[in-house]
Amino acid sequence: NAGVTQTPKFRVLKTGQSMTLLCAQDMNHEYMYWYRQDPGMGLRLIHYSVGEGTTAKGEVPDGYNVSRLKKQNFLLGLESAAPSQTSVYFCASSSDRGRTEAFFGQGTRLTVV
Amino acid sequence: SQQGEEDPQALSIQEGENATMNCSYKTSINNLQWYRQNSGRGLVHLILIRSNEREKHSGRLRVTLDTSKKSSSLLITASRAADTASYFCATDDYKLSFGAGTTVTVRA
Repeated sequence: NAGVTQTPKFRVLKTGQSMTLLCAQDMNHEYMYWYRQDPGMGLRLIHYSVGEGTTAKGEVPDGYNVSRLKKQNFLLGLESAAPSQTSVYFCASSSDRGRTEAFFGQGTRLTVV
Repeated sequence: SQQGEEDPQALSIQEGENATMNCSYKTSINNLQWYRQNSGRGLVHLILIRSNEREKHSGRLRVTLDTSKKSSSLLITASRAADTASYFCATDDYKLSFGAGTTVTVRA
């Protein structure tokens, strides 16, 4: 089992460029999450999904969009990258909200210059 | 938000000592989870404790839950260098929110 896989692992963007981060899970989980983590801070929830075709805003959704067209994939998009979006992004999935363990990807380190 | 808040922010101990960290939350829960994050990596699930449990053990980890005080504690016994990491709690909020975590440094 691969678990949760994030693509890419590293990326450097110029201000104003767009990109999509892909999160794929092979555990048939309903719930998927996108977080960002800045130095010395915890994880802040960007968007989450409670099932295929659903998305919802988390704590810091501005500047990001998401889609969950297939149950196994959760995409995070940056339409016009800004230096403030320089961060490490983590994806996670779980079978049941908070009632079972969540599995995390290895992270995507994004730098916006 | 039901997210947990960890305390202290940072903890430095000698190898072999015990480390204790706490989590407080605001509203009623069905369960609470603890996770570990090694530097730059994704979080790894450590233990889940249900609201009808007061204490749970897993190896060198001991978790307690006091629903009347809305708090939980994580005890790591006989710490090792490999326990150096950040530790987070999460409640059964569908948003799976985390606090800022407790950073534990185990000195050799």
